[in-house]
Amino acid sequence: GQNIDQPTEMTATEGAIVQINCTYQTSGFNGLFWYQQHAGEAPTFLSYNVLDGLEEKGRFSSFLSRSKGYSYLLLKELQMKDSASYLCAVRYLYNFNKFYFGSGTKLNVKP
Amino acid sequence: EAGVTQFPSHSVIEKGQTVTLRCDPISGHDNLYWYRRVMGKEIKFLLHFVKESKQDESGMPNNRFLAERTGGTYSTLKVQPAELEDSGVYFCASSQDLQGADEQYFGPGTRLTVT
Repeated sequence: GQNIDQPTEMTATEGAIVQINCTYQTSGFNGLFWYQQHAGEAPTFLSYNVLDGLEEKGRFSSFLSRSKGYSYLLLKELQMKDSASYLCAVRYLYNFNKFYFGSGTKLNVKP
Repeated sequence: EAGVTQFPSHSVIEKGQTVTLRCDPISGHDNLYWYRRVMGKEIKFLLHFVKESKQDESGMPNNRFLAERTGGTYSTLKVQPAELEDSGVYFCASSQDLQGADEQYFGPGTRLTVT
């Protein structure tokens, strides 16, 4: 398989910074997407990385290292509403139409 | 602009019955995808339509599953007859293109429970 791996669950405190990691199989890599999903709702797009480096969008940033098959999502100034599952999805050249998902990381933000 | 919608939000059926799930993609999106998440596992691809044509159905579990997209607008996914292992959340997604940063927009999913 594509071995998309993420931690199952993380807990962090309101106002803090949290980093959610994702590793994947590098062969044929063609883009990585991060989605946020609140319980019972649709996954919503957060970020996209295809080149090495950091993409910043407000409180959220995503980093990619293609050679290491590694990405992380960085959430700053955590808010209670950030409690959700975060999904890492990878696209590959040989199956360009589909996303391969990790199992998701459930983030619990405490007061 | 309306997002991807799915109906019903939740369906409970008995083993052996038939269920049909519906997905309405974002207007103008030629690409429509079905995914499924079973308990405790990752979201997995089922199939991909480009307009009314099935582009890739490599993820369909077996021939009890039938997807259609007549007219290239909404899509249905029928499970007949349903088995216990079909329980899970079925997501639909749509996208305009397959290139670059064009993300897939997901619906809220249909939670299917087979008893």
